[in-house]
Amino acid sequence: DAGVTQSPTHLIKTRGQHVTLRCSPISGHKSVSWYQQVLGQGPQFIFQYYEKEERGRGNFPDRFSARQFPNYSSELNVNALLLGDSALYLCASSLEGATSPISGNTIYFGEGSWLTVV
Amino acid sequence: GENVEQHPSTLSVQEGDSAVIKCTYSDSASNYFPWYKQELGKRPQLIIDIRSNVGEKKDQRIAVTLNKTAKHFSLHITETQPEDSAVYFCAASSGAGGTSYGKLTFGQGTILTVHP
Repeated sequence: DAGVTQSPTHLIKTRGQHVTLRCSPISGHKSVSWYQQVLGQGPQFIFQYYEKEERGRGNFPDRFSARQFPNYSSELNVNALLLGDSALYLCASSLEGATSPISGNTIYFGEGSWLTVV
Repeated sequence: GENVEQHPSTLSVQEGDSAVIKCTYSDSASNYFPWYKQELGKRPQLIIDIRSNVGEKKDQRIAVTLNKTAKHFSLHITETQPEDSAVYFCAASSGAGGTSYGKLTFGQGTILTVHP
């Protein structure tokens, strides 16, 4: 699970600005998901991408967008930043796009990107 | 959509005691139930997971049980140590149309404190 890499690790932005966060999944993993974790809460699902297609979207405004590249890395973009967007943004990597009742497709998290909006 | 409830929100035990954290879920299509340990300022780290085809799984001092009928699953930590102190999150996979994809819905978290 140490193979999920995210950048940057920390950043400070001003309200109204735009931010791009990046994620490289574990080698061989084709699915990338993004989560937002506000202090004191569990991670909240934002997006899942599998084979470069959006598989799922959480309850987040259109200011949040993402994409997956041919090498399976991913970007999360947030426009018009609000103070409430301050959080830890986590990228999760898994082999396939769906979980299984039998085996496989364990989901691993990267170290996250700490975003502070001032 | 899926809803996961986790209890208790805080748990304090003495070193060597057992700790139990319980979660319930709502979506019968969920088939994957991981548990994550998160230390302050760190990422959630997978400690154990269970899938819907089994009822129990154990890994050294950690075990997880799943009751699909009742839609609840539990984490059991035996012989707790101070280094077990952290926030623990349960999660359930969920999807749409009766299938589960890679989305995890998390519980609210349990702050576990193990006193030496």
